[in-house]
Amino acid sequence: GAGVSQSPSNKVTEKGKDVELRCDPISGHTALYWYRQSLGQGLEFLIYFQGNSAPDKSGLPSDRFSAERTGGSVSTLTIQRTQQEDSAVYLCASSRDMSSGANVLTFGAGSRLTVL
Amino acid sequence: AQSVTQPDIHITVSEGASLELRCNYSYGATPYLFWYVQSPGQGLQLLLKYFSGDTLVQGIKGFEAEFKRSQSSFNLRKPSVHWSDAAEYFCAAWRSNTGKLIFGQGTTLQVKP
Repeated sequence: GAGVSQSPSNKVTEKGKDVELRCDPISGHTALYWYRQSLGQGLEFLIYFQGNSAPDKSGLPSDRFSAERTGGSVSTLTIQRTQQEDSAVYLCASSRDMSSGANVLTFGAGSRLTVL
Repeated sequence: AQSVTQPDIHITVSEGASLELRCNYSYGATPYLFWYVQSPGQGLQLLLKYFSGDTLVQGIKGFEAEFKRSQSSFNLRKPSVHWSDAAEYFCAAWRSNTGKLIFGQGTTLQVKP
């Protein structure tokens, strides 16, 4: 696609429910990133994918968070048993690859998650 | 640990005044450096980037940034601010062996008429 597409744009859920956030990167971009932006906070790195592989999962806040990417394209970030502190905007970004040394990320508009 | 610091959380300038937003990085070697802007309700937009070469880089919307190795800084500047520049600005750094683009905490710019 022309840009990074994220869905849903807005999600309100109850504490304890599971949520899935989807990211569709720019066509041909092999690298994909997830960030979290909480109110008044900066951007917190969560995880990145090179192809379908996630070399570094250290940024995931807890084992309730998981992410996968299939077919080297769409990625899903899943949060299980949501807590109120999970409320944030979840940003996805993609880039052409990670080997070029000029790794410019293009960001999606984000998915705003509110946990009641 | 690798980090990016933006010392100013909030800055207010008058329209037409000059602007400088500070950014410092802590890395073992010079990373690739970026400035992004996030307008209210909008996604992040790349303003400019520094990879190597000329230490003064030009970006979009009349912004420029200067890389100073001795100070580990990459400050963003604009000679004359417009009301539409009110937004949140993020400095970021990336090293090819980490796969991570690390962001500073952001600086919120308010523009007074």
